[in-house]
Formats: sequence, structure tokens, C-alpha cells
Amino acid sequence: DGGITQSPKYLFRKEGQNVTLSCEQNLNHDAMYWYRQDPGQGLRLIYYSQIVNDFQKGDIAEGYSVSREKKESFPLTVTSAQKNPTAFYLCASEGDSNQPQHFGDGTRLSIL
Amino acid sequence: GNSVTQMEGPVTLSEEAFLTINCTYTATGYPSLFWYVQYPGEGLQLLLKATKADDKGSNKGFEATYRKETTSFHLEKGSVQVSDSAVYFCALKRGSTLGRLYFGRGTQLTVWP
Repeated sequence: DGGITQSPKYLFRKEGQNVTLSCEQNLNHDAMYWYRQDPGQGLRLIYYSQIVNDFQKGDIAEGYSVSREKKESFPLTVTSAQKNPTAFYLCASEGDSNQPQHFGDGTRLSIL
Repeated sequence: GNSVTQMEGPVTLSEEAFLTINCTYTATGYPSLFWYVQYPGEGLQLLLKATKADDKGSNKGFEATYRKETTSFHLEKGSVQVSDSAVYFCALKRGSTLGRLYFGRGTQLTVWP
């Protein structure tokens, strides 16, 4: 089945540590997105990529980094510079302007 | 700019009650409009969409009509079920190209038997 796989489902970060969230899709979609979800705030865009080896900052990119070396993969690194990383992170992909974005099941990140 | 405003929750209803969740938007040009649903611990699933004025999106008994004159896309269902309990997000995308979604804050719906 085609879809988006996010891993791990739960992740814990220690102070001063970088952690990487995985997002893989087998839908052959060109565009991929990372959103952050906090209670009562909807989803906010962190980074997005519309083509391999290119990505753009979203509304809340500070403290995060991404790479897009392969079409299928768009990992998100939460760096130690992100002072409030506790949130639910959602990855999405889009392949056709007439089709909706598909979402993964998310990764919940917490601080130890 | 682009933004979406949803009615604040939580919304609590009895089974078979009528549901309305209000959504209004601000956008440049002619956006596409969406309703997504999120069940506990999961990602978002598309519920319905509309891409131009007066279009009506519908799915699983839910409906929403794209009203350009009132910049609204209210979600309705005539008879809710316990299984409809979830968080509902209204969202827009500029035009019909690939691009980010702008989300409302989400509305928590709880349906009691």
C-alpha cells in the first residue's frame, strides 16, 4: 500500500541533544512538508520541499533543519537550539495539485 | 495574508444531533478549501474539499459549501454518531498548485451516546 511512514511514533530528547524524525513516502510525490501541532494552535509549517535537493523555511523554522537527498525521504532534525520542542510532528506529501496532501501518523516528541 | 478562523471548541453533542462547525477564511486570489479530521493519536485524514465558489464537498454524511461572498466553509452533518468524535481542522491552499496548507486551530468534537 502506498503511504507515508513516520518514525518513531514516540521520541524523547535530552537537554542539548539533537534528534531526527524520519518521514518516508512511496507515493512518488514531489512535495513534502513538516508541520508542528500544539494543543489549541492548529498546525504550523516548519519546512517544505517541492523538489529533491531543495527546501524552504516555513513559519517556524528556527531550531529545526531538514534535508531532501531522495524523493522518498524528508527527515527533520530538532536541534538543541529549539527550546520548546515538545509537540506532535506531522509529515505530509503532495504529488498533484488536484489531489489533497497525505499525512503520516505523526511523531510525538517529549523532553526528558 | 492567508488565514483560517474556526469556531472554538470543544463541542459536545448527543448522538443524532445536528452538527455545525464554523470556518471563515482570508485569502488572496481563489483558494481551495478543505476539512481534515484527526482521530486520537493519528495523523490527519481528508474529510472533504472544494476548489471553487459554490462547490459543495461531501463525504460520510458531512457537507461544506464554498461561499465566496461570506468567505466561509462551514462543516455540517445532520446526525452525528459517537464514531465522529475527533478533532476537525479547516484549511486552505492558495489556488490549485502544489503548496502549503493554512490551518485553523481545530475544533474538538465529542459525541455522547
